[in-house]
Amino acid sequence: QQQVKQSPQSLIVQKGGISIINCAYENTAFDYFPWYQQFPGKGPALLIAIRPDVSEKKEGRFTISFNKSAKQFSLHIMDSQPGDSATYFCAATTTSGTYKYIFGTGTRLKVLA
Amino acid sequence: NAGVTQTPKFQVLKTGQSMTLQCAQDMNHNSMYWYRQDPGMGLRLIYYSASEGTTDKGEVPNGYNVSRLNKREFSLRLESAAPSQTSVYFCASSVDPGQVQETQYFGPGTRLLVL
Repeated sequence: QQQVKQSPQSLIVQKGGISIINCAYENTAFDYFPWYQQFPGKGPALLIAIRPDVSEKKEGRFTISFNKSAKQFSLHIMDSQPGDSATYFCAATTTSGTYKYIFGTGTRLKVLA
Repeated sequence: NAGVTQTPKFQVLKTGQSMTLQCAQDMNHNSMYWYRQDPGMGLRLIYYSASEGTTDKGEVPNGYNVSRLNKREFSLRLESAAPSQTSVYFCASSVDPGQVQETQYFGPGTRLLVL
């Protein structure tokens, strides 16, 4: 019940295309869903996050879509660029005191120039 | 601000050796975390410290110990290293657990190879 399932494991997209990464969770107590971006040799960094009271959040070319009834959320990268090539992790947590993120297994994105 | 710093950056150990991974943050954060990252496994929480003076087990605590030395520093100790502990270790910190927009800030990682 604590798992967050992420797919695909890897993704290759042409420059200018749309990258889509999906995550699914089971624990209905989760109420905060961040996405982290990690470049090779670096630590993960927060990219964008959403709470379940909204169905979509957009920041620049990055959008999170959230489906509470299906317990799924996804990251869409519009107009994908070679600089977006990185590993992306979804995560979930409760903000009511457990202090723990549950991370997905990661998606390695490569954007071809 | 340096953010979250980790030392060493890379370490090679022999099976059975011990070592301590150091982590420090200069953001006055209350909570600190240790994760390990393995291919295909994502980030798994080893231990965390919600506030100075408290520590608690995460998902994969076996073979590790931690010390929250003060508000800034949180160390991870391997008492008797095993090849299964070969991994990349990340330290992270956050202002306060339970905040509406809680963000964890990660260090650059320590790459550990146990032979």
